Amino acid sequence: SSELTQDPAVSVALGQTVRITCQGDSLRTYYASWYQQEPGQAPVLVLYGKNNRPSGIPGRFSGSSSGDTASLTISGAQAEDEADYYCHSRDSSGNRLVFGGGTKLTVL
Amino acid sequence: QLQLQESGPGLVKPSETLSLTCTVSGASISSYTYYWGWVRQPPGKGLDWIGSIFYNGKTYYSPSLQSRVTISVDTSKNQLSLRLNSVTAADTAVYFCAGGKSNPDFDYWGQGTLVTVSS
Repeated sequence: SSELTQDPAVSVALGQTVRITCQGDSLRTYYASWYQQEPGQAPVLVLYGKNNRPSGIPGRFSGSSSGDTASLTISGAQAEDEADYYCHSRDSSGNRLVFGGGTKLTVL
Repeated sequence: QLQLQESGPGLVKPSETLSLTCTVSGASISSYTYYWGWVRQPPGKGLDWIGSIFYNGKTYYSPSLQSRVTISVDTSKNQLSLRLNSVTAADTAVYFCAGGKSNPDFDYWGQGTLVTVSS
């Protein structure tokens, strides 16, 4: 079982804002990073650290954290944002890594 | 631009050893700038971290796989390798190699290779 917990599915109306959350004890100590994965494709890093976007990732993606929960927010969701999203961080030991179970985002 | 490409058998028999190679281009695999790892994804399921290796050779593995897995690098070929012993059908997955500048973030990914465990 994963040490990071995500809702299996979330939906959002086109152009609206959606928040995808990730909960785990290790998030009280470590930041989460977030990956977007489209069907049949490799994951793409969209957020890392406190709230950093790799080059080429749109500004509508942002991150935050509070207590044991990290969040990925998409402000003004677009059709192309429909994908699976995974959080990723260290486990409680700090030396090993773990992924959340993933959230399937549907843009209506 | 750093690129990664996995290669290896697409079919492995139960109880045998799964061996995959990841060829890195655009950077030296021995550079202290990067670290490397393997991630797998069973069909229809989520991502599963297998392990990571750092420039000094230090490795970390998933607790659930630690007794069966070895990750290593071949600096002469600029390749990353994965060996998983005593495989079962539960090891059937798409296997990705990945690289990053700062642990635990993976900035770069291969396209993935499907390995099926079946007799």
